[in-house]
Amino acid sequence: EVQLVQSGAEVKKPGESLKISCKGSGYSFTSYWIAWVRQMPGKGLEWMGIIYPGDSDTRYSPSFQGQVTISADKSITTAYLQWSSLEASDTATYYCARLDYDFRSGGLDHWGPGTQVTVSS
Amino acid sequence: QSVLTQPPSVSGTPGQRVTISCSGGSSNIGSNFVYWYQQLPGTAPKLLINRDNQRPSGVPDRFSGSKSGTSASLAISGLRSEDEADYYCAAWDDSLNVLFGGGTKLTVL
Repeated sequence: EVQLVQSGAEVKKPGESLKISCKGSGYSFTSYWIAWVRQMPGKGLEWMGIIYPGDSDTRYSPSFQGQVTISADKSITTAYLQWSSLEASDTATYYCARLDYDFRSGGLDHWGPGTQVTVSS
Repeated sequence: QSVLTQPPSVSGTPGQRVTISCSGGSSNIGSNFVYWYQQLPGTAPKLLINRDNQRPSGVPDRFSGSKSGTSASLAISGLRSEDEADYYCAAWDDSLNVLFGGGTKLTVL
């Protein structure tokens, strides 16, 4: 069974750093792209970027380029999303999801439960 | 404001057929596949329609997707109370990013 297990909820202060995780299991982790999607409170879905754990090829949405870093450690089948300096506007739920097929023709067929990040002073 | 345009809300009564539209452009829907996601309250999104009109395993055939030019539609027939959710269309863009629609809240009256 394909599973994406995300790290738990975080409460941080503005300016702090954060790294959240998404552990894949039940499939060949290095053979599928993993995407990150943001959902701000009461709002819609936003594409942040995507990584191919097999070779760490990473692509960012222009809206998030330079704002976050996506990485992966294939030895422990885990993808990461990190911030160096959080802002209150980063408060959201962050989902990881697996792309079921090739880049540009795949859908997000399995999703993690989401990690809620709250940034408040 | 999303590049893919969806109505903010639709509603229907049990057993009815409803459709949700998604309008885009030549660089996204017009030249790439469309996907539909269902998000039940308090849960992660779920892939409902893959690559324009394919239903993943386990998705009832009450759900169907179609596309014409730069627009796409999700149809739900035999509406049920458990279909009450937010629905998002999505499409790859020629810039190699995924665009999401703003989402449509379906209310079953």
